[in-house]
Amino acid sequence: EAGVTQFPSHSVIEKGQTVTLRCDPISGHDNLYWYRRVMGKEIKFLLHFVKESKQDESGMPNNRFLAERTGGTYSTLKVQPAELEDSGVYFCASSPTKALPGANVLTFGAGSRLTVL
Amino acid sequence: GQSLEQPSEVTAVEGAIVQINCTYQTSGFYGLSWYQQHDGGAPTFLSYNGLDGLEETGRFSSFLSRSDSYGYLLLQELQMKDSASYFCAVRDKGQNFVFGPGTRLSVLP
Repeated sequence: EAGVTQFPSHSVIEKGQTVTLRCDPISGHDNLYWYRRVMGKEIKFLLHFVKESKQDESGMPNNRFLAERTGGTYSTLKVQPAELEDSGVYFCASSPTKALPGANVLTFGAGSRLTVL
Repeated sequence: GQSLEQPSEVTAVEGAIVQINCTYQTSGFYGLSWYQQHDGGAPTFLSYNGLDGLEETGRFSSFLSRSDSYGYLLLQELQMKDSASYFCAVRDKGQNFVFGPGTRLSVLP
């Protein structure tokens, strides 16, 4: 079974530019999460999709961040315009629906490292 | 909302036993998970406690006391490769997972 795939692995952009991060969850996983880790600190929750619906987006920092999950498969996280404080590693994770085995296990992708100059 | 606390750093020697504590305050609680993250890597699942008590998986064990809003991860027979950051995470009713600040474990020879 393929794992969670994230692209790009590393992106370097200038302040004010736009970046789109992509996450392909494990096939069949209804739950998709975005997290961010900055400078070795906490893994901060951004948002949670159940299929194509946003279950919880309380962690999104501001309206410069837009997440989508069209069709309930892959997801994108767009930052526009990027600011210096947006630098960090963005992780995507997925899990099966709560009724299935493994529902309490998040499988993470390798992360997308964003550097804003 | 959710609030979790963990020690920021722990140091131990090879072969020793170390316990990493996690306390939480939540508006809804359905379980406590533990994840390991090596530098430059992705967090990987270690254990989940939905009910009170001890769960054992090889050298790692995890404990939960819901009445005390407290849990811990116990690592036995420490190895150098166990040097990593360890995160507790609370699961709520909506299957959201909120992570603690992480504990950096350094294992010395």
